[in-house]
Amino acid sequence: NAGVTQTPKFQVLKTGQSMTLQCAQDMNHEYMSWYRQDPGMGLRLIHYSVGAGITDQGEVPNGYNVSRSTTEDFPLRLLSAAPSQTSVYFCASSPDFAHSSYNEQFFGPGTRLTVL
Amino acid sequence: EDKVVQSPLSLVVHEGDTVTLNCSYEVTNFRSLLWYKQEKKAPTFLFMLTSSGIEKKSGRLSSILDKKELFSILNITATQTGDSAIYLCAVKTSYDKVIFGPGTSLSVIP
Repeated sequence: NAGVTQTPKFQVLKTGQSMTLQCAQDMNHEYMSWYRQDPGMGLRLIHYSVGAGITDQGEVPNGYNVSRSTTEDFPLRLLSAAPSQTSVYFCASSPDFAHSSYNEQFFGPGTRLTVL
Repeated sequence: EDKVVQSPLSLVVHEGDTVTLNCSYEVTNFRSLLWYKQEKKAPTFLFMLTSSGIEKKSGRLSSILDKKELFSILNITATQTGDSAIYLCAVKTSYDKVIFGPGTSLSVIP
């Protein structure tokens, strides 16, 4: 298994540009989520999905869109990038997050995004 | 508003010291508390706690939860340079959300 993969690893955008951060997992996990990590602020939840076709907002959803058409993929779209979106983005997945007996999330390697 | 607070935010200790990292939380519909270790890349899972007073142990690391006082501690005994990392505390709610604290940056010097 490749686990959770993210592409690209690094990206530089100009203000106003759009792009999609890709996230895929090959573990048949139902739960997937996107976080951003900024210095001194830990990880903040952007959007999450409990299964294909279902998405919901996290703490900081503004400026980001997601969709979940398949179990494997959970892309994050920036429609009009802003300097405030400069951050490291992590995608994570979990087999069955609804049951407290199994809470581990598997994180991807991250995407470092800079918006100029 | 749900929040998770960690203290201290950073800590420098010498090899062999014992450290205690703190995590307190205020969330609606608490499900579980999780600890992660983050080195230069993605966080890796350490512990999941759901019940008060039951200590989880893994080698030199241990953690306990107090659901009445709404906090958890992570202890690391006989620290090594390989323990240098950011330690993240997170709380999962019944709404399938995970709220992370800001992390404690631990540096262990020889």
